[in-house]
Amino acid sequence: EAGVAQSPRYKIIEKRQSVAFWCNPISGHATLYWYQQILGQGPKLLIQFQNNGVVDDSQLPKDRFSAERLKGVDSTLKIQPAKLEDSAVYLCASSLGTAVNTQYFGPGTRLTVL
Amino acid sequence: GESVGLHLPTLSVQEGDNSIINCAYSNSASDYFIWYKQESGKGPQFIIDIRSNMDKRQGQRVTVLLNKTVKHLSLQIAATQPGDSAVYFCAERGAGNMLTFGGGTRLMVKP
Repeated sequence: EAGVAQSPRYKIIEKRQSVAFWCNPISGHATLYWYQQILGQGPKLLIQFQNNGVVDDSQLPKDRFSAERLKGVDSTLKIQPAKLEDSAVYLCASSLGTAVNTQYFGPGTRLTVL
Repeated sequence: GESVGLHLPTLSVQEGDNSIINCAYSNSASDYFIWYKQESGKGPQFIIDIRSNMDKRQGQRVTVLLNKTVKHLSLQIAATQPGDSAVYFCAERGAGNMLTFGGGTRLMVKP
């Protein structure tokens, strides 16, 4: 079974630029999550989708971050404009549903903002 | 690959010894707890989970213990191997399957 795919793996941008990350979850997984992991810390949930609807985005900085999952499969996370403190690994995870289902993580995208 | 935890607490053990990694959680209403392993340059990988109505659960070479009285979780790894070297995170589940991760512990296994 293919795992969660993410691209790009690495991205370097200057502050105030925009950037987008892509995630393809495990086939059949209805729930998709985006996490931010700052170096030395555990992942922090940014947004959770159930199919193409948002379940929770309470920790998403909505003034600069946006995410969508238009067809209920792939998802994109965008930052515009980026700040230095956005440097982190952005992890995508998926699970079968919102019941007690294991979340499977992708390899992440490491973002460096200069 | 890059390290996921430059400033994390570190546990150093000899190959073949047992390892115990501890975690304190915050929400007494959490009903489900998970341990993840994260190797450098990779996403977290599920190891084992435990529901709040259990005190202990065993897997292959791993055991998770839950003490709800003091809100403490531990992961025991038997006969630690070099491949166990990684950062280990505990996570507690809230509503809607949302996970809150702890700060992580780096396990280093000396051959």
